[in-house]
Amino acid sequence: DAGVTQSPTHLIKTRGQQVTLRCSPKSGHDTVSWYQQALGQGPQFIFQYYEEEERQRGNFPDRFSGHQFPNYSSELNVNALLLGDSALYLCASSLLSGPRSRGYTFGSGTRLTVV
Amino acid sequence: AQTVTQSQPEMSVQEAETVTLSCTYDTSESDYYLFWYKQPPSRQMILVIRQEAYKQQNATENRFSVNFQKAAKSFSLKISDSQLGDAAMYFCAYRANAGGTSYGKLTFGQGTILTVHP
Repeated sequence: DAGVTQSPTHLIKTRGQQVTLRCSPKSGHDTVSWYQQALGQGPQFIFQYYEEEERQRGNFPDRFSGHQFPNYSSELNVNALLLGDSALYLCASSLLSGPRSRGYTFGSGTRLTVV
Repeated sequence: AQTVTQSQPEMSVQEAETVTLSCTYDTSESDYYLFWYKQPPSRQMILVIRQEAYKQQNATENRFSVNFQKAAKSFSLKISDSQLGDAAMYFCAYRANAGGTSYGKLTFGQGTILTVHP
C-alpha cells in the first residue's frame, strides 16, 4: 500500500521563476493538503483540496495555487518565486469520510531552494 | 485563531530514561484533536500519538503517552525507555473537528529537537 509520494525531492530555482510540485496521495485517500516548512520551523498550512476544489486556504498569497486531478493527485504551483519561498514543501493526504481521529499521512517533501 | 506553542526548542535524554516534551495550545473550539508528530532527518512527518479532546483518558502507544489537561490547554508527550531511534524533531499539532467538506487544517508548534545520548 503506497504512502504519499512527492516529486521532485529537491529543486533549485531562480528568483522570479515558476515551480510546480507534485503529490500522489496514499491509496484510498481523497483529500490532499499542502504545507510549507521553513528551516527549523513547524509546517504552515497552505491549502487543502477535495473533489478537485480548494476547500481551505491558509495565509499565503495568490502566487501559491494548486490543483487536484480526478485521480486525487495534486500539484502546488508557485509563481514569481522569492528567496523567502525556500522551504520544505510537504504534502499530506487523508480520507474525508474516514475516522476524523486518523489524521494525515505525510510525504517526505520537496526541498525547494530559490537563489 | 488557534495557536500551538512548544516552549522547549531542544531536549536531551539518556538512552533508556524518560523524557517529557511540553505543548500548550489555545482554541475556542470544544471538539478537536491533538497530535504528536515525529520528523526524523528523512523529513517525513510520522504520527506518534493522537488524543481526542472529548476523551478524558490519556492516550498511550507503547512507550509513548500523553498528559492531556483540557482546562489548562496542555498536551505533553512522555517517552519512556528512550531509544536512539527516538532522536528527531517532535511537533505538537492541533486540528479542529471541521466536518463537512473540510478535513481541517493542522496547526503545528515550532518543534522540539530531541537528542538521545547512548
